[in-house]
Amino acid sequence: RKEVEQDPGPFNVPEGATVAFNCTYSNSASQSFFWYRQDCRKEPKLLMSVYSSGNEDGRFTAQLNRASQYISLLIRDSKLSDSATYLCVVNLSPYGQNFVFGPGTRLSVLP
Amino acid sequence: DGGITQSPKYLFRKEGQNVTLSCEQNLNHDAMYWYRQDPGQGLRLIYYSQIVNDFQKGDIAEGYSVSREKKESFPLTVTSAQKNPTAFYLCASTRTNREDYGYTFGSGTRLTVV
Repeated sequence: RKEVEQDPGPFNVPEGATVAFNCTYSNSASQSFFWYRQDCRKEPKLLMSVYSSGNEDGRFTAQLNRASQYISLLIRDSKLSDSATYLCVVNLSPYGQNFVFGPGTRLSVLP
Repeated sequence: DGGITQSPKYLFRKEGQNVTLSCEQNLNHDAMYWYRQDPGQGLRLIYYSQIVNDFQKGDIAEGYSVSREKKESFPLTVTSAQKNPTAFYLCASTRTNREDYGYTFGSGTRLTVV
């Protein structure tokens, strides 16, 4: 089983739609969690950290379920500019960083 | 503004040649990383360094070498032993004293074998 798995995608949604991505991780000792966004042929950029109580940043909401070992990202009112690949990232180490990247889920928001 | 600078943006390598990719950061981060990304694939860890003068192999270190003589710099050499080096190479850095602190990436180097 891969350490971090994501919805295979791609997701094609109309502007204004709500879309949710899921990510599961295999290591129950994982310490911290992130969502990154990667545009085509560009570097990944941090979208948001994921906290145990869940957190929201504008149209983006991240949830963490440690018991089931999954993370989700919800995007409301999708914009054309949200089109990108979304990477789920899990930090396995309590001492510094040992990040494992998921394969990514591609989102295309259509006019 | 602080950040990570990778150079060159594009690099062409002939068969049997060694090439070095530069990565410099002025974020005062302790840890630095090199990843490789192939088209349509996820990121794979090549090497990482948590402190100056120390580095560790990642999942796909064969055919690559690194050095960490300064905190700011973590160059990657792609040697002739790397049989399929064409890929997008990403350098990242982060702090080591907070596990909830994400990575900052450079803008990447695209390496092509000609």
